Amino acid sequence: DAGVTQSPTHLIKTRGQQVTLRCSPKSGHDTVSWYQQALGQGPQFIFQYYEEEERQRGNFPDRFSGHQFPNYSSELNVNALLLGDSALYLCASSLGEDGDYGYTFGSGTRLTVV
Amino acid sequence: GEDVEQSLFLSVREGDSSVINCTYTDSSSTYLYWYKQEPGAGLQLLTYIFSNMDMKQDQRLTVLLNKKDKHLSLRIADTQTGDSAIYFCAEWQTGANNLFFGTGTRLTVIP
Repeated sequence: DAGVTQSPTHLIKTRGQQVTLRCSPKSGHDTVSWYQQALGQGPQFIFQYYEEEERQRGNFPDRFSGHQFPNYSSELNVNALLLGDSALYLCASSLGEDGDYGYTFGSGTRLTVV
Repeated sequence: GEDVEQSLFLSVREGDSSVINCTYTDSSSTYLYWYKQEPGAGLQLLTYIFSNMDMKQDQRLTVLLNKKDKHLSLRIADTQTGDSAIYFCAEWQTGANNLFFGTGTRLTVIP
């Protein structure tokens, strides 16, 4: 049973470029949440997708956007990349909007902006 | 989300017990969690506790919850070198309907 899979694992982009990160949730899960983890910090909530809609959003600018597909997979898009966007981006899946029993996390995509 | 606080570092000798502490903020949190992160990896759910419980034990792990003080702790018995990692406390904030993490405690186990 595959867990949460994210791609790519590593990415290097130039300031001002755009990036798309991908996530496939754990089998049986229908909700995807995205987190940004800067070096030495805890994960910060970006947004959550359920039923192909953004349901909750953290304190991130509009440069961060996402999408959820009918098969529950999700993409995170970041436009106009800044150096400060360099981080580990984690995708988490759960069943339903309420993560009562905890989220299952992927291994993340490490984004470096130069 | 409000701040979830943890001490940054903890060192213990192999075989000793480790206690990692956390102070959370949302008194209406329904669930509280402990996650483990090894170098270069994602987050692994270790255990969780429902807010109406005071204690939960799962093999070498014991979670204690003091709702009055909004304090959560994770005790690891017989700590092994493989337990060296960063441990995150997280609370489910009902207002935001999402999970909020502390800054993490880096546990180093000395052989």
